[in-house]
Amino acid sequence: EDQVTQSPEALRLQEGESSSLNCSYTVSGLRGLFWYRQDPGKGPEFLFTLYSAGEEKEKERLKATLTKKESFLHITAPKPEDSATYLCAVQDTTDSWGKLQFGAGTQVVVTP
Amino acid sequence: DTEVTQTPKHLVMGMTNKKSLKCEQHMGHRAMYWYKQKAKKPPELMFVYSYEKLSINESVPSRFSPECPNSSLLNLHLHALQPEDSALYLCASSQEEGGQPQHFGDGTRLSIL
Repeated sequence: EDQVTQSPEALRLQEGESSSLNCSYTVSGLRGLFWYRQDPGKGPEFLFTLYSAGEEKEKERLKATLTKKESFLHITAPKPEDSATYLCAVQDTTDSWGKLQFGAGTQVVVTP
Repeated sequence: DTEVTQTPKHLVMGMTNKKSLKCEQHMGHRAMYWYKQKAKKPPELMFVYSYEKLSINESVPSRFSPECPNSSLLNLHLHALQPEDSALYLCASSQEEGGQPQHFGDGTRLSIL
């Protein structure tokens, strides 16, 4: 059965203090790995798609990387507006239609 | 601004009421989804519509009844809900069923008294 585990559950950072979030996954075959950002009371906002080991994507202060067993979301010199819950999700190639399996998320708080 | 619009933003209802949640997208997407999200938990898939037909029902209780009147609209009809059904209900859409990325609305915060 597919599993997606995110760590840590919560992360408190000072503004400018870089850090990384982890998403480890177990799938029969990876169709894609997705990162979303969710602000309180809002829906998830799509950030990145990664398809194969070694792939990297960047957007402003965020950089996502992928290995065969895990993905990292690196936050470089974070600002308070980067505070959010970051969700990781995977699609398994053996799933007939491509259901998203979400991790529980990492809640990030960046203080000034 | 999200491209998937959900109304209402908040809804309080009694266990005997009937209400509906609405979702609209104008991106030409042919797949639409309903998710339920409890506090500090990830979204849980409820239903998938593909080309206006119900494709997936994740064993959701019959007190939740989805409807897709056309390719841009998705409704979720609610009847005789239980307090444990209180949650954030999210709508999402994608180009095709299982296609990525899914675009989410900001949800309807539902409270059952």
